Amino acid sequence: KQEVTQIPAALSVPEGENLVLNCSFTDSAIYNLQWFRQDPGKGLTSLLLIQSSQREQTSGRLNASLDKSSGRSTLYIAASQPGDSATYLCAVLGAAGNKLTFGGGTRVLVKP
Amino acid sequence: DAGVIQSPRHEVTEMGQEVTLRCKPISGHDYLFWYRQTMMRGLELLIYFNNNVPIDDSGMPEDRFSAKMPNASFSTLKIQPSEPRDSAVYFCASSPRQGERYGYTFGSGTRLTVV
Repeated sequence: KQEVTQIPAALSVPEGENLVLNCSFTDSAIYNLQWFRQDPGKGLTSLLLIQSSQREQTSGRLNASLDKSSGRSTLYIAASQPGDSATYLCAVLGAAGNKLTFGGGTRVLVKP
Repeated sequence: DAGVIQSPRHEVTEMGQEVTLRCKPISGHDYLFWYRQTMMRGLELLIYFNNNVPIDDSGMPEDRFSAKMPNASFSTLKIQPSEPRDSAVYFCASSPRQGERYGYTFGSGTRLTVV
């Protein structure tokens, strides 16, 4: 059974600092990995999708890497802003059964 | 595209009542998923459909929960009778098809409170 872990559970940084969010998963047989953002009381917004054949994806200040063999992904957010404050969730799509399994999330606070 | 549309946004009901949550997936998406989010357990997959057919309902907590997809543009998740422990945010998501290029798109969720 796939297990996805995100550490730390919460993170607080001053504005302008780079953010590094970690995600690990136990089963490397995956189709892809998605990073989502969730604001309090809101739905999930997809940020980046990394296919299993890819090593990284970039969108603006966001960069996500994937090391499938070691079961790890990292989301980098450059030059953080208060508007980046949210919970970030990683989710892995298993190659068997088409199930998206979520980590517990990292709650980020960027202080002005 | 309007995205995945869920209704209602909020639902408050009394214990024992029937609750029906609704979802309209993105047109052309073959897969539809129902998730539940709680503080204690995070996001859990309840059931998913492929081309309107339920494929895996192993996440449905008990017989009080049922889900249907009568056509490609509509799905319901029903709880009967509802209990306070069912209070959670229920999300619907859809995906075009299976494969590494395809991600999930989530709706805004329905926040259910059972009192």
